[in-house]
Amino acid sequence: GQSLEQPSEVTAVEGAIVQINCTYQTSGFYGLSWYQQHDGGAPTFLSYNALDGLEETGRFSSFLSRSDSYGYLLLQELQMKDSASYFCAVRENQAGTALIFGKGTTLSVSS
Amino acid sequence: GAGVSQSPSNKVTEKGKDVELRCDPISGHTALYWYRQRLGQGLEFLIYFQGNSAPDKSGLPSDRFSAERTGESVSTLTIQRTQQEDSAVYLCASSRTGDTEAFFGQGTRLTVV
Repeated sequence: GQSLEQPSEVTAVEGAIVQINCTYQTSGFYGLSWYQQHDGGAPTFLSYNALDGLEETGRFSSFLSRSDSYGYLLLQELQMKDSASYFCAVRENQAGTALIFGKGTTLSVSS
Repeated sequence: GAGVSQSPSNKVTEKGKDVELRCDPISGHTALYWYRQRLGQGLEFLIYFQGNSAPDKSGLPSDRFSAERTGESVSTLTIQRTQQEDSAVYLCASSRTGDTEAFFGQGTRLTVV
């Protein structure tokens, strides 16, 4: 079966750096994605890693190690508006399979 | 349309009634996904459509749940004989074939009383 594990909650203060980890067990692997969801809102795409290494997009970076079945989302210079839930998601092959999501990590940023 | 559109945005129904939820994907998106999200929980995969291929129904929790999609357009998720445990937000998403980014609608909040 498929499983994605991530911490349920993370807390941090404004300006800090936080890392949200994700480990996965899937029968195939076509890439690891990250989505952000604010309370009451729709999930929105943040980043995608198909190959090992770090992808940087502004204050957010995402890392993947396929040999370890592990990735993380790194959020820098945290702002209050970053308080949200963050989900990792795996697609097992390019087409023909759905995105499978982890249970999500709730990030609370305080001043 | 500009984004994924879902209707209704809210639905309150009595236990035992059938409900139909609608999703209008982004034009040109061949892949369409349905997820269920209970309060404070993650996204539970329900069903996936990819073009004209047979849908992946492996996430449907019971035979009370079914979904259809006409070609590469609108999809409907039907829940028969609703139960209180069906109360959740039902999210639809779409993407182009092989694309890494899925676009979500705002969801339908279903409350079974």
